Amino acid sequence: AQRVTQPEKLLSVFKGAPVELKCNYSYSGSPELFWYVQYSRQRLQLLLRHISRESIKGFTADLNKGETSFHLKKPFAQEEDSAMYYCASIRNTGNQFYFGTGTSLTVIP
Amino acid sequence: NAGVTQTPKFRILKIGQSMTLQCTQDMNHNYMYWYRQDPGMGLKLIYYSVGAGITDKGEVPNGYNVSRSTTEDFPLRLELAAPSQTSVYFCASSSPGRDYGYTFGSGTRLTVV
Repeated sequence: AQRVTQPEKLLSVFKGAPVELKCNYSYSGSPELFWYVQYSRQRLQLLLRHISRESIKGFTADLNKGETSFHLKKPFAQEEDSAMYYCASIRNTGNQFYFGTGTSLTVIP
Repeated sequence: NAGVTQTPKFRILKIGQSMTLQCTQDMNHNYMYWYRQDPGMGLKLIYYSVGAGITDKGEVPNGYNVSRSTTEDFPLRLELAAPSQTSVYFCASSSPGRDYGYTFGSGTRLTVV
C-alpha cells in the first residue's frame, strides 16, 4: 500500500527563516508525490508535483529515494506561507490520492 | 470556467436526517472524488468515480452513497445523518494521467447535532 506520513502536525517558524515540512512515503515501485496547500478558508490547491521538478512560490521538494522522503522546503519563509500543507501520493487505479495528515505551518512576523 | 462547484457551503443536520451534497465540474474531467477532512486526520476518500455510470468505494464509505449519471455531476448522499459525519467534505476532479493533480471544490462544512 502506498502511504505518506507527515510527522509534524504543527510547525512554527519566524519570517525569513528557512522552513522544511517533512513527508515520508512507503511505496513499492516508483512513487509519484505531490504537495497540496490549503490557505485559511480556501480550497485545497496543488502546490508541487515531483515529476515536474518545479518551484512554486519559492517552495521546492526533492524526492530522496534513499530516505524515502519528499520534504517541502523554502529558504525564507513569508507570512503568507502560513497554511495547511498536505503531502500526497497517487494510487494506480483511478488517480486516487493518499493524503498525509497535514502540517499546519505558522510563520511568525 | 467555474472548476469544481460544491453546494451548500454550510449545513446543520439533525441526527437521522438525510441530505445530498452537490458537486459539479465543468472541465470534462473523467475522475471525481469525495473526501472528508477531519481535524488531525487529513483527508479520507469516501467514494470515487472514473466515469459516468461507474463508482467505487474509498476508505470510509459507510453511511454514504453516490451516483454518477453524467460526467459533470457527482452528488454525495447521507441517508441517516450521525454525529460522526460532522466534517468538512471536499469534492475533487481530475483527468486521467498521473501528471495531473486534483482540482478541489471549496468544501461543505456539515454539522450533525
